[in-house]
Amino acid sequence: DIQMTQSPASLSASLEEIVTITCQPSQDIGNYLSWYQQKPGKSPQLLIHSATSLADGVPSRFSGSRSGTQYSLKINRLQVEDTGIYYCLQGYSAPPTFGAGTKLELK
Amino acid sequence: EVQLVESGGGLVQPGRSLKLSCAASGFTFSDYNMAWVRQAPKKGLEWVATISYDGSSTYYRDSVKGRFTISRDNAKSTLYLQMDSLRSEDTATYYCARGRYWGQGTLVTVSS
Repeated sequence: DIQMTQSPASLSASLEEIVTITCQPSQDIGNYLSWYQQKPGKSPQLLIHSATSLADGVPSRFSGSRSGTQYSLKINRLQVEDTGIYYCLQGYSAPPTFGAGTKLELK
Repeated sequence: EVQLVESGGGLVQPGRSLKLSCAASGFTFSDYNMAWVRQAPKKGLEWVATISYDGSSTYYRDSVKGRFTISRDNAKSTLYLQMDSLRSEDTATYYCARGRYWGQGTLVTVSS
């Protein structure tokens, strides 16, 4: 199975700050990487698919990028509603595997 | 509007069975592969199983192979997960998913 190493496990940031979360797969996954946000008691919501494509309805302050084998989710100008847990997911090979999650809180 | 509504969760004793359902609407159910994903309390997300659009192919995570069965009824636009020989480590909220679309989840608690 492909292991997804996600970091950091948690972070605390201020309003309007820029936040970056990364995922490192254990092997090549091409661009088969998506990012989800989950709020307490809710199901995950897709933010980014195909590593860099913004999902419909997602604010443009969210962006995804790839540098070599490392994938990043960037949040520009952090807002209150951005708190929650973020997960990466690889869909390159079965079984699909998630990162362990990043808990984002406001400072 | 795509809607996925899970049902069938509850408290069950170890070794017993439970069958989850997911009623789909807002899209042509028979055109899409479907999956179950679970999340243990306070833990991360874990893919459980996938079924092809026509039900001809199924895939499972190793820890549920031989115990869980994913199936679908395209005439009823409904996805199922039959869970047998349940263990305490199967305790989780189970989500039905089609790509970016997820249901609200149904909680399965395995405990004596």
